[in-house]
Amino acid sequence: SAVISQKPSRDICQRGTSLTIQCQVDSQVTMMFWYRQQPGQSLTLIATANQGSEATYESGFVIDKFPISRPNLTFSTLTVSNMSPEDSSIYLCSVGTEDYEQYFGPGTRLTVT
Amino acid sequence: QQQVKQSPQSLIVQKGGIPIINCAYENTAFDYFPWYQQFPGKGPALLIAIRPDVSEKKEGRFTISFNKSAKQFSLHIMDSQPGDSATYFCAAGPRDTGNQFYFGTGTSLTVIP
Repeated sequence: SAVISQKPSRDICQRGTSLTIQCQVDSQVTMMFWYRQQPGQSLTLIATANQGSEATYESGFVIDKFPISRPNLTFSTLTVSNMSPEDSSIYLCSVGTEDYEQYFGPGTRLTVT
Repeated sequence: QQQVKQSPQSLIVQKGGIPIINCAYENTAFDYFPWYQQFPGKGPALLIAIRPDVSEKKEGRFTISFNKSAKQFSLHIMDSQPGDSATYFCAAGPRDTGNQFYFGTGTSLTVIP
């Protein structure tokens, strides 16, 4: 398994601002993902963070709103841009292993006022 | 369209009981089926996973049953304990997309002492 940390663990932000969430893994991984989990809901994949190339976004998510960086095999960031209250959610990063297992970080709880 | 359907939404059992959570999928390309356990304020933790070449997998008190022809799989928790109270998510995905999973809607399990 992989040990994954996220920063910040939670934040309260004003409408119209942006927040960058960091995800750090304790070992090199090929696959990194970003998910959103709204309170009491399931997990929705935002995008796959590709090392050295642009992220691959799922339907309904766009790069201008959720820019992602993946500078190396242990680190990624997700920015939530021009936030609105509807962006209040838990944002999770995850990593995939060669055995197709997927491990999640502890999440970042975002509240937009 | 929900790729993975999960039921029930919530479940209450007495300590020692055997809660069963069911999931169904439609996409025959799916060939990896993990279950995740999530406690409040934490990220989902991989519990157990199965591939379609077996019909059952046990790890400790947790068992996955898999029915390929019916496209269904279920989680059984033997001798349930109050510490098992959590939300459980099933997931499914094709291994050739590099860990891209589709998650069920979650089951909130409460084990009464």
